[in-house]
Amino acid sequence: QKEVEQNSGPLSVPEGAIASLNCTYSDRGSQSFFWYRQYSGKSPELIMFIYSNGDKEDGRFTAQLNKASQYVSLLIRDSQPSDSATYLCAVKNDMRFGAGTRLTVKP
Amino acid sequence: EAQVTQNPRYLITVTGKKLTVTCSQNMNHEYMSWYRQDPGLGLRQIYYSMNVEVTDKGDVPEGYKVSRKEKRNFPLILESPSPNQTSLYFCASSWSQGSSYGYTFGSGTRLTVV
Repeated sequence: QKEVEQNSGPLSVPEGAIASLNCTYSDRGSQSFFWYRQYSGKSPELIMFIYSNGDKEDGRFTAQLNKASQYVSLLIRDSQPSDSATYLCAVKNDMRFGAGTRLTVKP
Repeated sequence: EAQVTQNPRYLITVTGKKLTVTCSQNMNHEYMSWYRQDPGLGLRQIYYSMNVEVTDKGDVPEGYKVSRKEKRNFPLILESPSPNQTSLYFCASSWSQGSSYGYTFGSGTRLTVV
């Protein structure tokens, strides 16, 4: 069974801090990943796509992929209360999702 | 506006009464999929479709049916709903299964079976 694991949280950070969200996967054949954000009661929305080892930056968001260690992470710099949501990682090939990490950013 | 439209948004039904949740996309996507989302379990795939008349089971297909007669529509059918099918359901579409553009999700259908 191919697994995608995330710490369910909740993860709580103060406003302005860096939030770090992690995802591990079991299938070594997985090459690329998505990060989705889901506000409470809403549908998931795509925020990042990463396929290369290393970092990919988009505004306040940085995705990191380490294929040797089989983890992918999402860093949110200067966290804002509007970032409070559940963050889901997904394997691109079969769109298998992790259970998500709930992030709360406190003013 | 490019979107995936699901109906209804909310549905309360009784055990055993057949129901259909509709899903339609206007992006000419070939790939469509149904997920259910339960607390602590995340999104789990029910069925998916690579193209018209091509459907396949996901991880949790028991108790569900789908059909893909037209490219834009992918209805989810519960022939005899049971309380364990109470969940939040999402339809999603994409250019292909492994598209780098990811999936576009519908707004969700919250189903309660009593």
